[in-house]
Amino acid sequence: GQQVMQIPQYQHVQEGEDFTTYCNSSTTLSNIQWYKQRPGGHPVFLIQLVKSGEVKKQKRLTFQFGEAKKNSSLHITATQTTDVGTYFCAGKIQGAQKLVFGQGTRLTINP
Amino acid sequence: GAGVSQSPSNKVTEKGKDVELRCDPISGHTALYWYRQSLGQGLEFLIYFQGNSAPDKSGLPSDRFSAERTGGSVSTLTIQRTQQEDSAVYLCASSKDPVGGPQHFGDGTRLSIL
Repeated sequence: GQQVMQIPQYQHVQEGEDFTTYCNSSTTLSNIQWYKQRPGGHPVFLIQLVKSGEVKKQKRLTFQFGEAKKNSSLHITATQTTDVGTYFCAGKIQGAQKLVFGQGTRLTINP
Repeated sequence: GAGVSQSPSNKVTEKGKDVELRCDPISGHTALYWYRQSLGQGLEFLIYFQGNSAPDKSGLPSDRFSAERTGGSVSTLTIQRTQQEDSAVYLCASSKDPVGGPQHFGDGTRLSIL
């Protein structure tokens, strides 16, 4: 079936290091969304990207949508302990009704 | 309330019993989704409701699982003859955009089957 693949599955960094998670689809996406789930919490919407090549920033977080609208990335600069959690991408396949979630990247941070 | 409300927050039941999980979406949100999340895993899509359209049931894992949405608002997910592998957190999300817009999640129901 249609899938959105996300890598890496796990990432452990020292506080202050950068972190990147990647999302790839075999088919063109209408949009890509990113969510953050804190340990014990529920996913919370962070941002939506719609345009080819779009780049958006939220403080230390930078989100990119590929030119072909098949991949996306989330980059965190100088991680802080508050960044701990699982980051999910979710893509809307063109012509489909619902979002397809990636498996998530679990970020842990050594203070 | 302002957010998606799910009840109960926790449910412990014996294998073979039926359970009902409830989701009250954000007022005005026409799209409603159910997901299942096992410990440390990703989100497994179960079912999607949009307005008066026929629901997308493609993610339901077996015929023991069913869901309904009454009056375009509250939804109930029913699991019959529960099995231990049904143990997970069941998350509900709603969206005001009917076609793949941002989703707002509830806190989930943690289901434990003994």
